[in-house]
Amino acid sequence: ELKVEQNPLFLSMQEGKNYTIYCNYSTTSDRLYWYRQDPGKSLESLFVLLSNGAVKQEGRLMASLDTKARLSTLHITAAVHDLSATYFCAGDRSNFGNEKLTFGTGTRLTIIP
Amino acid sequence: EPEVTQTPSHQVTQMGQEVILRCVPISNHLYFYWYRQILGQKVEFLVSFYNNEISEKSEIFDDQFSVERPDGSNFTLKIRSTKLEDSAMYFCASSDQGAGETQYFGPGTRLLVL
Repeated sequence: ELKVEQNPLFLSMQEGKNYTIYCNYSTTSDRLYWYRQDPGKSLESLFVLLSNGAVKQEGRLMASLDTKARLSTLHITAAVHDLSATYFCAGDRSNFGNEKLTFGTGTRLTIIP
Repeated sequence: EPEVTQTPSHQVTQMGQEVILRCVPISNHLYFYWYRQILGQKVEFLVSFYNNEISEKSEIFDDQFSVERPDGSNFTLKIRSTKLEDSAMYFCASSDQGAGETQYFGPGTRLLVL
């Protein structure tokens, strides 16, 4: 069964700094997803990483996938307050049909002015 | 931009009562999901649905749970006899294809069982 772990669980960082959130998964997951959740709100899709070596960037966020290491990273560049949220990574298991997402525990990011 | 909608946004019920949570997936999507999130915890998969039948369900999705697509637009989750531990945020999601496609999440229904 796929297990997904994130670290850190909590991250408090100053505006303007860079940091990385790590997502490890236990068995083969062909795809890796990153979602953002604001308090009391739904999940907003950020990235879908489909293959080994995939890198995607949107604004100050960049996500990458290393399937050999079973690791995905979400890098935050020059953080701004608007990025404060909980970030979840999720994997799915198979190429077949509609696969469930297995979520990590989430990283609660707080950007301090 | 098309979005997944859910009703109600909040539901309070007594233990043992039946609840039906409603979702309208994005119109051209074919794959539908329910997830739940207990307060402060991670998001957990409940069930996936395609071609008018359940594709996969988790251990959480026991006989008290059922899903239905009664018409071309709605997708419902029924909990037949609610328990205290069913209190959670329930999210509906949809995607236009299966694996590898983004699942778009609705705003959620916060269920409180007293």
